[in-house]
Amino acid sequence: AQTVTQSQPEMSVQEAETVTLSCTYDTSESDYYLFWYKQPPSRQMILVIRQEAYKQQNATENRFSVNFQKAAKSFSLKISDSQLGDAAMYFCAYRSGGGGADGLTFGKGTHLIIQP
Amino acid sequence: DSGVTQTPKHLITATGQRVTLRCSPRSGDLSVYWYQQSLDQGLQFLIQYYNGEERAKGNILERFSAQQFPDLHSELNLSSLELGDSALYFCASSVDPSGGHTDTQYFGPGTRLTVL
Repeated sequence: AQTVTQSQPEMSVQEAETVTLSCTYDTSESDYYLFWYKQPPSRQMILVIRQEAYKQQNATENRFSVNFQKAAKSFSLKISDSQLGDAAMYFCAYRSGGGGADGLTFGKGTHLIIQP
Repeated sequence: DSGVTQTPKHLITATGQRVTLRCSPRSGDLSVYWYQQSLDQGLQFLIQYYNGEERAKGNILERFSAQQFPDLHSELNLSSLELGDSALYFCASSVDPSGGHTDTQYFGPGTRLTVL
């Protein structure tokens, strides 16, 4: 079974600074997808960014980018120019690639605090 | 707004009772997923349906069941409720789980279940 580990229960960053959230995963599969979801106090789960394992290029979405290290099974999220609205729980998630029959496996989350 | 709707938003019930949670996927999405978020277990995948058929099972208890109807909405039935079933239950949907960007899961706002 796949596992996802987020080793930082809480992170704090000053507004406008850059912060990196860590995620590692364990799998024997070669085809899979990785995601970062954001959960603000409203509890809504919001997709932040997605990475296909077969792509070497790191995904980027505006101020959000990932550092995907397939051999190390590492998938960190970098948030640049942090804003107050970025304060939330961030969850790293894994999904098997083959066949499409599977749900997401989530890490336990990192609580991100933005200091004004 | 993800386009996924869930009703009710909140549900309070007693131990031993049965409840039904409802989910309407985004327009055009064929696959529905159910997740449970609790303090003890974190975010867990329960079950997936695709175009009316069960596609994958996660950590779903035997007391829980789900179905997807011809109009693609889904219901999650929870019976013989216990205190430990208190959690936030999310529904997510995707166009097609077979791969590519069509398998990205978009989450509804969740149903908060409290068992007293």
